[in-house]
Amino acid sequence: GESVGLHLPTLSVQEGDNSIINCAYSNSASDYFIWYKQESGKGPQFIIDIRSNMDKRQGQRVTVLLNKTVKHLSLQIAATQPGDSAVYFCAENLAGNTPLVFGKGTRLSVIA
Amino acid sequence: GAVVSQHPSRVICKSGTSVKIECRSLDFQATTMFWYRQFPKQSLMLMATSNEGSKATYEQGVEKDKFLINHASLTLSTLTVTSAHPEDSSFYICSARPPGGFDQPQHFGDGTRLSIL
Repeated sequence: GESVGLHLPTLSVQEGDNSIINCAYSNSASDYFIWYKQESGKGPQFIIDIRSNMDKRQGQRVTVLLNKTVKHLSLQIAATQPGDSAVYFCAENLAGNTPLVFGKGTRLSVIA
Repeated sequence: GAVVSQHPSRVICKSGTSVKIECRSLDFQATTMFWYRQFPKQSLMLMATSNEGSKATYEQGVEKDKFLINHASLTLSTLTVTSAHPEDSSFYICSARPPGGFDQPQHFGDGTRLSIL
């Protein structure tokens, strides 16, 4: 289930189940979006990206969906594994070569 | 793939010490690098944009005299936390975007855990 902690919401899933992590982004003019995975004590690691002219993109075990109408981004992880346990951040590019703006993040906890 | 290296990974020092953190793009040139700060259980907050050969651009509320940024080459940016105090303790992360347009992901270093006693 999903719960909201003091700072980071947490999503707990059983190993083998699919995970869906959601993100609401801030700017309707954002043209590029990325999902990052951050393990404890490390920097964010690129997972998958999507441009604003697309609404779906698939990678290996991961799918990103973009709904520009409601400014919503989701990351789907198929057959979740213990190694997927981490904090996941969505990030948006507001315009041109500007720094990414990060969402609040979601902690994914995989139950073996 | 693009690799960003950050050093050191961890620093523990006394209050009043200045600490320098290095960020290197290992296999691409980066005219722009970004410095973020992350508190426990929180998201990354942009501190400043480091520009090769010119002054850094700081976000609102970030003291430029406190957090000195130097981007002397196309592969190296440094962040110096001057006269650090316990409230400066945090996780500092740098990133860079390979050339080729805005739709290239930023790649991140593994961060520097700064602990001021």
